Amino acid sequence: LAKTTQPISMDSYEGQEVNITCSHNNIATNDYITWYQQFPSQGPRFIIQGYKTKVTNEVASLFIPADRKSSTLSLPRVSLSDTAVYYCLVVPRGGFKTIFGAGTRLFVKA
Amino acid sequence: SQTIHQWPATLVQPVGSPLSLECTVEGTSNPNLYWYRQAAGRGLQLLFYSVGIGQISSEVPQNLSASRPQDRQFILSSKKLLLSDSGFYLCAWSQVGAGSTSGANVLTFGAGSRLTVL
Repeated sequence: LAKTTQPISMDSYEGQEVNITCSHNNIATNDYITWYQQFPSQGPRFIIQGYKTKVTNEVASLFIPADRKSSTLSLPRVSLSDTAVYYCLVVPRGGFKTIFGAGTRLFVKA
Repeated sequence: SQTIHQWPATLVQPVGSPLSLECTVEGTSNPNLYWYRQAAGRGLQLLFYSVGIGQISSEVPQNLSASRPQDRQFILSSKKLLLSDSGFYLCAWSQVGAGSTSGANVLTFGAGSRLTVL
């Protein structure tokens, strides 16, 4: 499984756009990039998944450059309730084993 | 729709006592099932996963074990708890074959069980 590296923590203010970058230099051809969000005392929640270029849903956008060695999760206009830990994972298509790293702790301030 | 249930939500156990955490999934058949542990302020550690009845993969050697007595039931057990077993235990499921046609495995987590060993 490809290893991921992301910042330990980030601070932002309400209303700002937040971009969290994840590095995955050893990503394989059949790997997908998946992001989860975890609030305190809750299980992680799936946010978005992508393979290449850009994916957007009602919660976030995921930007993946052509070489796929990194990805950026973009959260538009964050609010206090977006304070959480965000995990970047690389998951092989058809694979079952899912490993979480340390994640990025995002703190949104008023 | 599919739902996942974990119980108990919290428990306090003395060192050396046994443990049993249960997880069930409704609304699907033959799910992939997972147990994770999260120590205070730390990331998630994959403990066990199962892709079918009788098929359990262990990721971390320890005094914990997992069983899958029924298709949609996953149980985490210990015969003798250690202080280091304290943590937040999360069960998760994913659809069998997820990623085989589009995308990759996506997990849905339960609400968790918080274990304190004293």
